[in-house]
Amino acid sequence: GQNIDQPTEMTATEGAIVQINCTYQTSGFNGLFWYQQHAGEAPTFLSYNVLDGLEEKGRFSSVLSRSKGYSYLLLKELQMKDSASYLCAVRDSNYQLIWGAGTKLIIKP
Amino acid sequence: ETGVTQTPRHLVMGMTNKKSLKCEQHLGHNAMYWYKQSAKKPLELMFVYNFKEQTENNSVPSRFSPECPNSSHLFLHLHTLQPEDSALYLCASSPRLAGDQETQYFGPGTRLLVL
Repeated sequence: GQNIDQPTEMTATEGAIVQINCTYQTSGFNGLFWYQQHAGEAPTFLSYNVLDGLEEKGRFSSVLSRSKGYSYLLLKELQMKDSASYLCAVRDSNYQLIWGAGTKLIIKP
Repeated sequence: ETGVTQTPRHLVMGMTNKKSLKCEQHLGHNAMYWYKQSAKKPLELMFVYNFKEQTENNSVPSRFSPECPNSSHLFLHLHTLQPEDSALYLCASSPRLAGDQETQYFGPGTRLLVL
């Protein structure tokens, strides 16, 4: 079966750096997405990786290793507004999006 | 504001009621999706429409009935639901159905409670 694994919850301190991991086992691979979802709001697109390596967007970076079936999202200079759930999703060989359950990130002052 | 709106934002219904959820996208996209999001579970894809044609129905019970009159509007008709159907229902759209970088844009969702 297809599976996306993410930690359920993480806690970090304002101003620090946090890494959210995502491992996947899917039938084929056609890209990996990270979304942010604040409580009660819509998921919003953060990043997309299809080749191994780093994608940077401001304070957020995402890294992909296809050989390891692994990605992580790196959040730097954490702000209170970064408290949210972070969803990892992989597009399989049929271009279906397989979603993880999300990682709830709690930022403390 | 992602360009995708959903109404109502909250809905409480009894198991014998009939209601409809509405989704509208203002992005000029051609593909639209319905998802179910339950607490601590992955997003569950329910239905996919591409150019108004249904292309995906992931074994969704018949008490959920989608309708896509045009590329900008998507409905989810609900009847005789069960308490376990209580969840957040999310609508999304993307420029195309398939492709290398088809990012989905989500609406804010309808929080449904079935009593």
